[in-house]
Amino acid sequence: EVQLVESGGGLVKPGGSLRLSCAASGFTFTSYTMNWVRQAPGKGLEWISSIRSSGSDITYADSVKGRFTISRDNAKNSLYLQMNSLRAEDTAMYYCASGLVGYWGQGTLVTVSS
Amino acid sequence: DVVMTQSPLSLPVALGQPASISCRSSQSLVHSDGNPYLNWFRQRPGQSPRRLIYKVSNRDSGVPDRFSGSGSGTDFTLKISRVEAEDVGVYYCMQGTHWPYTFGQGTKLEIK
Repeated sequence: EVQLVESGGGLVKPGGSLRLSCAASGFTFTSYTMNWVRQAPGKGLEWISSIRSSGSDITYADSVKGRFTISRDNAKNSLYLQMNSLRAEDTAMYYCASGLVGYWGQGTLVTVSS
Repeated sequence: DVVMTQSPLSLPVALGQPASISCRSSQSLVHSDGNPYLNWFRQRPGQSPRRLIYKVSNRDSGVPDRFSGSGSGTDFTLKISRVEAEDVGVYYCMQGTHWPYTFGQGTKLEIK
């Protein structure tokens, strides 16, 4: 059974940092592109970043480019999102999703507020 | 960026009746590899999204056959042949052909 479990969310002040993690199991993690997608409270879905299986090919949405860094550790079957210079508008549920966004985790909530 | 436009945004449907959601993209979703990367998702209240359809018309494992996807180029449709109570939620289309990936605004399906 495919499982994606996000962690690391919480309350942070504007300008602060957080690192999200996503632990994957039940599939060959090393073969899949991985993604982060977020959803602001009461809003729709926004793709924010993807990383190819080797880790060498990375893409970001303009809204997070230069502030967020996606990475993966294939030895640990884990995906990460380092979030710096956080803003109020980054408040959202953050989901990791595998491959062609086929499987999703349960999400981790990030709240940016003073 | 590719803009994905869904209609309607609200869809009240009686149980057992069909439902249809349209999704239009601002440019063709045919990838250079020949595939159209158009997905459909449903998000039930309080839950994570679940992919229902990938590459326009392929149902994911466990998705009932009352769900079907069709379309090509820039016009796509998700159809539910007979709506059941468990189908309530918000439906999103998403294109994975062009960076950045983009989602439609969402269509809220409710039982009439």
